[in-house]
Amino acid sequence: GAGVSQSPSNKVTEKGKDVELRCDPISGHTALYWYRQSLGQGLEFLIYFQGNSAPDKSGLPSDRFSAERTGGSVSTLTIQRTQQEDSAVYLCASSLKGGGNTEAFFGQGTRLTVV
Amino acid sequence: AQSVTQLGSHVSVSEGALVLLRCNYSSSVPPYLFWYVQYPNQGLQLLLKYTTGATLVKGINGFEAEFKKSETSFHLTKPSAHMSDAAEYFCAVSEMDSSYKLIFGSGTRLLVRP
Repeated sequence: GAGVSQSPSNKVTEKGKDVELRCDPISGHTALYWYRQSLGQGLEFLIYFQGNSAPDKSGLPSDRFSAERTGGSVSTLTIQRTQQEDSAVYLCASSLKGGGNTEAFFGQGTRLTVV
Repeated sequence: AQSVTQLGSHVSVSEGALVLLRCNYSSSVPPYLFWYVQYPNQGLQLLLKYTTGATLVKGINGFEAEFKKSETSFHLTKPSAHMSDAAEYFCAVSEMDSSYKLIFGSGTRLLVRP
């Protein structure tokens, strides 16, 4: 596609359930990032992929959060046993090669609400 | 670790007035700096970036920013505000490690009065 695509756009889940969020980066972009945007914490980095490997997972808030990337393309962020504090907008971004001067293109995000 | 401070969570200007959104950063090495804009229910869009070279950077929609090393600042300006500029603006610095992840400020919501 022309841009970064995220699905679903909105997700409401019950506390304790698992959720999967999907990101389709721009074709050919080797670097992929997940960020979380919440009222109290602003925009926070979660995890960085280069190809299929994740050399930087330092932003994942707990072991309930995990992510994978397959085929150097699609990435899935999984949150297990969701809690109300997980409610946020989860943003995915991709860039051509991940260098600091390379533009990161953002998807429209998945709004997660845990009830 | 690097950090970004945006002064003013809300800025209100009249249509046609100067827009000035402030950003200061902390970095131990020359940074890569960015301004992103977020319209309601949309993702982030890059307005402009500074990497090296000219310290006055021009971006889309008439915005520009100047990198001032001595002041550790990267303020965003636009000479004349339009109603369509109403949005949230984020300043960010690129972490200078292998990930180059972005460290964002807390954002400034720009309101434009008719």
